[in-house]
Amino acid sequence: GAGVSQSPRYKVAKRGQDVALRCDPISGHVSLFWYQQALGQGPEFLTYFQNEAQLDKSGLPSDRFFAERPEGSVSTLKIQRTQQEDSAVYLCASSLDQGFSIDTEAFFGQGTRLTVV
Amino acid sequence: GESVGLHLPTLSVQEGDNSIINCAYSNSASDYFIWYKQESGKGPQFIIDIRSNMDKRQGQRVTVLLNKTVKHLSLQIAATQPGDSAVYFCAEMLLTSGTYKYIFGTGTRLKVLA
Repeated sequence: GAGVSQSPRYKVAKRGQDVALRCDPISGHVSLFWYQQALGQGPEFLTYFQNEAQLDKSGLPSDRFFAERPEGSVSTLKIQRTQQEDSAVYLCASSLDQGFSIDTEAFFGQGTRLTVV
Repeated sequence: GESVGLHLPTLSVQEGDNSIINCAYSNSASDYFIWYKQESGKGPQFIIDIRSNMDKRQGQRVTVLLNKTVKHLSLQIAATQPGDSAVYFCAEMLLTSGTYKYIFGTGTRLKVLA
């Protein structure tokens, strides 16, 4: 496809369950970001990949959150032992280059809405 | 579906009027800024960007103004249309230790009145 694709679009998890959220970035994009967006808030940075390398995971809220991008393309955000405060929209974005030059537009997917009950 | 802008500041404008949405950013070293539009149930969509060496940039019906002295951005939408109704976020690109990220502002919900 032409854009960033995320799946599933909606996920309901019981508290304590593990979930895995998938992101298919735009083909050829080097950079990949994960963001968390709570209701009524702006997106909050979680983590950043440059190809398969996770260069920044400073935004991950706890060690229950884990992200990977093993082949430098598709990425998975995993949340273990989900809690109610994890309920949010999880957005993935990709960008063509490594950010060393500006004008590096990030393209966002539609997000996965996670509801923990 | 739920509105992404449920608790955000709201700007209401009449259809056909001009809209001005403001944003304050936090890092004086930021070099690049983007305005995003987010409709309910969708991800942020790029509208316009501006570099720090510019004060103004124009697109189709949109203009972004940058005031680095007070770390302020504004988005002007000319002849606002119903399809412009959405939440608008500014984002600054922050470079740190060989990596980068986009930091988003709090957002403004734009409502266009017929």
